[in-house]
Amino acid sequence: EAGVAQSPRYKIIEKRQSVAFWCNPISGHATLYWYQQILGQGPKLLIQFQNNGVVDDSQLPKDRFSAERLKGVDSTLKIQPAKLEDSAVYLCASRAQGNTGELFFGEGSRLTVL
Amino acid sequence: AQSVAQPEDQVNVAEGNPLTVKCTYSVSGNPYLFWYVQYPNRGLQFLLKYITGDNLVKGSYGFEAEFNKSQTSFHLKKPSALVSDSALYFCAVRDGMIKAAGNKLTFGGGTRVLVKP
Repeated sequence: EAGVAQSPRYKIIEKRQSVAFWCNPISGHATLYWYQQILGQGPKLLIQFQNNGVVDDSQLPKDRFSAERLKGVDSTLKIQPAKLEDSAVYLCASRAQGNTGELFFGEGSRLTVL
Repeated sequence: AQSVAQPEDQVNVAEGNPLTVKCTYSVSGNPYLFWYVQYPNRGLQFLLKYITGDNLVKGSYGFEAEFNKSQTSFHLKKPSALVSDSALYFCAVRDGMIKAAGNKLTFGGGTRVLVKP
């Protein structure tokens, strides 16, 4: 079974530039998450999708961050314009239907903002 | 609001000795508890979970965890640590009373485990 795919693995940009991250979840997984993991901290949920609908985006900085999952499969997370404090690893995870299942994580996209 | 606390930033243990990583949680409803491990430059990998039933749950790589409702704890344990267990460990909680669609997983800050030969 293929895992959660993310790209790019690494990205370096200057502040005020834009960046986009892509995620392909495990086939058939209805729920998709984007987490932000700042160095030395635990992952923080940015946004949760159920199929192509947003379930929770309460911690997404909507003035600069956006995410979509148009067809209920792949997802894109965009940051525009980036700030220094956005330097982090962006983790995508997916979960099968049901309340008790664990999340499956991709390897993450490491963003450095200079 | 739900939360997870991992009181130790780092745990050092000699190879072959028992390993314990502490976790306490706060949640309104029924706790669904998880442990994940993260190796350098990798995503998080699932180790084990407690949903209901036996308080002692067994997971991958010889790890186990004990759910203690009265102490709201879910400590991770391994009887005999290996050097290869050196990694970052995260405890997480979900509220089992909230329906699946709106049910998010909240992580602790992580504990770095260093197993010395």
